[in-house]
Amino acid sequence: NAGVTQTPKFRVLKTGQSMTLLCAQDMNHEYMYWYRQDPGMGLRLIHYSVGEGTTAKGEVPDGYNVSRLKKQNFLLGLESAAPSQTSVYFCASSSPREYEQYFGPGTRLTVT
Amino acid sequence: KNQVEQSPQSLIILEGKNCTLQCNYTVSPFSNLRWYKQDTGRGPVSLTIMTFSENTKSNGRYTATLDADTKQSSLHITASQLSDSASYICVVSGFPTGNQFYFGTGTSLTVIP
Repeated sequence: NAGVTQTPKFRVLKTGQSMTLLCAQDMNHEYMYWYRQDPGMGLRLIHYSVGEGTTAKGEVPDGYNVSRLKKQNFLLGLESAAPSQTSVYFCASSSPREYEQYFGPGTRLTVT
Repeated sequence: KNQVEQSPQSLIILEGKNCTLQCNYTVSPFSNLRWYKQDTGRGPVSLTIMTFSENTKSNGRYTATLDADTKQSSLHITASQLSDSASYICVVSGFPTGNQFYFGTGTSLTVIP
């Protein structure tokens, strides 16, 4: 039981490049989330999903897209990376029957 | 506006001492409040979860309290250890789905020998 895993752990992009962050969970959770964490600002919700095939915008969705084609996976895409997207990205999952979110180890992204 | 505020922003204590972290929130309606510990370079890990009817919840040397009337919570750490050095994040959830999560900016705790 690996919990929530994220790929990759680190990445450096040039402005304008694209990439996809992968999140996988093996707890059969319905809900999945993508957050970004910046110094002094706490975790901010980018997008979330309440089930396979469904996604919704969070607090800071601009510049990101997501897909939830399989229940266990939640992908976060950056179509044209900008320096403002330099951050640490966390994926989380939860079940509607319990209150706790389980977080992945994070992906540190730097856009130059 | 639903908000979660934590204090202090940072704290340095000597190993073996106790400390208390504060969390005030304006989230309404309220579903539950959680404290997370986040080690440097890692994802947050849950310490305690409290619903409206719970006043106190302990997890080893960590004890969380909740006053739903004043919308305040505290996390008390007893006999601190070097491994307690981390960021502690307060997260409040609102109704109706329980998936509206509001995050505090965290308290950075440093325990020194």
